[in-house]
Amino acid sequence: AQSVAQPEDQVNVAEGNPLTVKCTYSVSGNPYLFWYVQYPNRGLQFLLKYITGDNLVKGSYGFEAEFNKSQTSFHLKKPSALVSDSALYFCAVRDAYNTDKLIFGTGTRLQVFP
Amino acid sequence: GAGVSQTPSNKVTEKGKYVELRCDPISGHTALYWYRQSLGQGPEFLIYFQGTGAADDSGLPNDRFFAVRPEGSVSTLKIQRTERGDSAVYLCASSSPGQGNQPQHFGDGTRLSIL
Repeated sequence: AQSVAQPEDQVNVAEGNPLTVKCTYSVSGNPYLFWYVQYPNRGLQFLLKYITGDNLVKGSYGFEAEFNKSQTSFHLKKPSALVSDSALYFCAVRDAYNTDKLIFGTGTRLQVFP
Repeated sequence: GAGVSQTPSNKVTEKGKYVELRCDPISGHTALYWYRQSLGQGPEFLIYFQGTGAADDSGLPNDRFFAVRPEGSVSTLKIQRTERGDSAVYLCASSSPGQGNQPQHFGDGTRLSIL
């Protein structure tokens, strides 16, 4: 079965410092991986995806993610965090066998301190 | 409005009542998904439409839940005989055709509270 794990419930980082939000996956076949961000009382906003190609994927708002096949990881990164990046982040994998539905991790709350 | 629109944004009702939640997807998006998000959890899949038909309803928790998309655009999620455990945020997403590599775009959700 396809699954993703986000091992950290919360990540704290000072503004201006680099940030990493971790995600590992388990899939059969080639993984289609996504990162979404959720602000309070809002839906999920798409940040970036990995389908194939370069292992470093660039997305919205300066975020990027590194796909590592040997470690089955897809960590979200940003070189310099902003206070406005504080939100809930979800990693997701496409279920390749069942109609493209997304399987989400439990989420990581990012808190950026000024 | 170019995004996915969900109404109502909030719904409070009593146990045992019937509720309908509406989703208006992005124009031209043929795929439509419903997810349910409980507090502190990631969204969980409920049902997927490709056009008018439900291609996968394996996530619906029981037969009290039903969804339709009669004209291939707007979808309605229907819950009969609501229970307190149905309280959650119900999210709708749509995507353009693309063999699963197109991102799903989410609405802001309907927060359902069953008293």
